[in-house]
Amino acid sequence: DAKTTQPTSMDCAEGRAANLPCNHSTISGNEYVYWYRQIHSQGPQYIIHGLKNNETNEMASLIITEDRKSSTLILPHATLRDTAVYYCIVRGNTGNQFYFGTGTSLTVIP
Amino acid sequence: DADVTQTPRNRITKTGKRIMLECSQTKGHDRMYWYRQDPGLGLRLIYYSFDVKDINKGEISDGYSVSRQAQAKFSLSLESAIPNQTALYFCATSDYGQGAFFGQGTRLTVV
Repeated sequence: DAKTTQPTSMDCAEGRAANLPCNHSTISGNEYVYWYRQIHSQGPQYIIHGLKNNETNEMASLIITEDRKSSTLILPHATLRDTAVYYCIVRGNTGNQFYFGTGTSLTVIP
Repeated sequence: DADVTQTPRNRITKTGKRIMLECSQTKGHDRMYWYRQDPGLGLRLIYYSFDVKDINKGEISDGYSVSRQAQAKFSLSLESAIPNQTALYFCATSDYGQGAFFGQGTRLTVV
């Protein structure tokens, strides 16, 4: 499974869009990009995943570049409850685990 | 009720004791995982199971064992607990091609 690179931390003003980048330059053609978040010490929460097309659900949008070497998770209107550590993970369907790395610590500021 | 339930939620045990952490799921997934998280770090895989007859070691399996009693149940045991196994433990389940769903964690302290 390809490894990912994320910034260690980011801030975002409440109500603004939070854009969290992820680099996965060694991603292979059958690997998906997954995003999770972990609020304090709770269990990680699945947010969204995609292969090559942009995806949107009730929580977020996922934008994957055409070459698939990077992606951006967008929280359209960040709230204080979105303060969390966000993990970008690349994994194939036959992959045996989700490699979490250290993620991006997002702080939403009032 | 939670889709993935871990028991106990908190546990303090003494060095050398055997302890079991239990996980049950109602999602009907075949794949189950045990992860460990240390403060300020990401999650590391201990063991995983793709079905009842399939058990695989993860990156940090030494000192741990697992049992997949049924599709819905996956237990993690520390045969002889030591202080550096103090951590937050998470169980997760997934289906083929889908994201993983995590339990709320078990905070284990070995004194």
